[in-house]
Formats: sequence, structure tokens, C-alpha cells
Amino acid sequence: DGGITQSPKYLFRKEGQNVTLSCEQNLNHDAMYWYRQDPGQGLRLIYYSQIVNDFQKGDIAEGYSVSREKKESFPLTVTSAQKNPTAFYLCASNPRYTPGGYTFGSGTRLTVV
Amino acid sequence: AQTVTQSQPEMSVQEAETVTLSCTYDTSESDYYLFWYKQPPSRQMILVIRQEAYKQQNATENRFSVNFQKAAKSFSLKISDSQLGDAAMYFCAYMEENSGGSNYKLTFGKGTLLTVNP
Repeated sequence: DGGITQSPKYLFRKEGQNVTLSCEQNLNHDAMYWYRQDPGQGLRLIYYSQIVNDFQKGDIAEGYSVSREKKESFPLTVTSAQKNPTAFYLCASNPRYTPGGYTFGSGTRLTVV
Repeated sequence: AQTVTQSQPEMSVQEAETVTLSCTYDTSESDYYLFWYKQPPSRQMILVIRQEAYKQQNATENRFSVNFQKAAKSFSLKISDSQLGDAAMYFCAYMEENSGGSNYKLTFGKGTLLTVNP
């Protein structure tokens, strides 16, 4: 079945460490997105990518980095520069010329310990 | 920048009753899309309903319908015959029209937590 796979479901990180969240899709979608969800804050856009080897910053990109070496994959790295990384992270994708055709992954809960 | 405001952090409804969730947005664009997403306790985001701004007719999906008031920039969601499975966080979202390709960024409101009482 086609979909988006985010892994791991839960992730624990020590302060000062970088950590990478995985997002893989087999939907042949062009665009991929990373959102961060905090209680009472809704979803906020971190980074997005329209095509391979190209990506743009969203509203809260500081302390995060991404890559898009393959169409299927859009990993997010939470760096030690991110001051408050504990949050729920959602990956999404959508096909070309299909506004609103988002497919979401099931999310990764990151906790800094 | 576009903003989406959901003024009701929490709402509750009795099973089988009707409830309306409010959403307003701010944009200078004339062509755009509006959405309601549902996030149950599993945290999986589920698209509930979608509205194109150029359509005057309000969208309807089974028990879910919207009241789209373009001039007022209002987009409320009505849930009829509420069921226990409707209990979830509901997010209103805005998407700007983009004729150039595949980049469609969603801007979300902060959400309304809906409780359904048996």
C-alpha cells in the first residue's frame, strides 16, 4: 500500500546531540513537507521541498536541516542549535498540481532528556 | 503572511447533536483553498473537508459541512449527528493558489479540541 512512513515513532535525545528523523514515501509525490506540532500551537512549517536536490525554509527553520537526495526521502535533522526540540514532528507529501492532496505520516515524538 | 484563527480552544457536544467549529483567516488573495483536518488521539491527520474559494457553494461530506463566507473570511465546520468517533482535535487550514507546480504550503490554525459526550 502507498503511504508515508516516519520512523522512529518515539525518539529520545540528549541535549547537545543531533538527531535525524526519517520520512519515506512511495506515492511518487513531488513535494514533501516537515511540520512541527506543539500543544496549543497547531502545526508549523519547518522545511519543504518541491523537487529533488531543492528545498526551502518554512516559518521555523532555525536549528533544523534537511536533504532531498531522492524523491522518496526527506529526512529532517534536529541540530543542537534547536533550543526547544521536544515536539511532535509530522511529515507530509502531495502530488504536483493537486492542492490539498496532502498525505501525512503518523509522526515522530521527539523528547530531549 | 496568511494567518488562520480558531477562537475556540475546546468545544463539547452531546452524541447525536450538532456542533459548529469556527475559523477565520486573513489573506489578500482571491484564489485559495480552505480545509478542515481531524487529528484523533492516534495523531494521524485526516482530511475532513475542502473548499475552493472560487466556489460559492458550501462543501459537504456526509455529516460534515462548511459555512464559507468569503467576504467575512470565515470558514466554519458543522458536524451533524455527532458520534463518539468524532472526538478529536480539529484544525482549520489555508492554502494559497499556486499555478506554478507542486508547492502548496498549508497554514494551520491552533486547533479546537472537540469532546463528544455520550
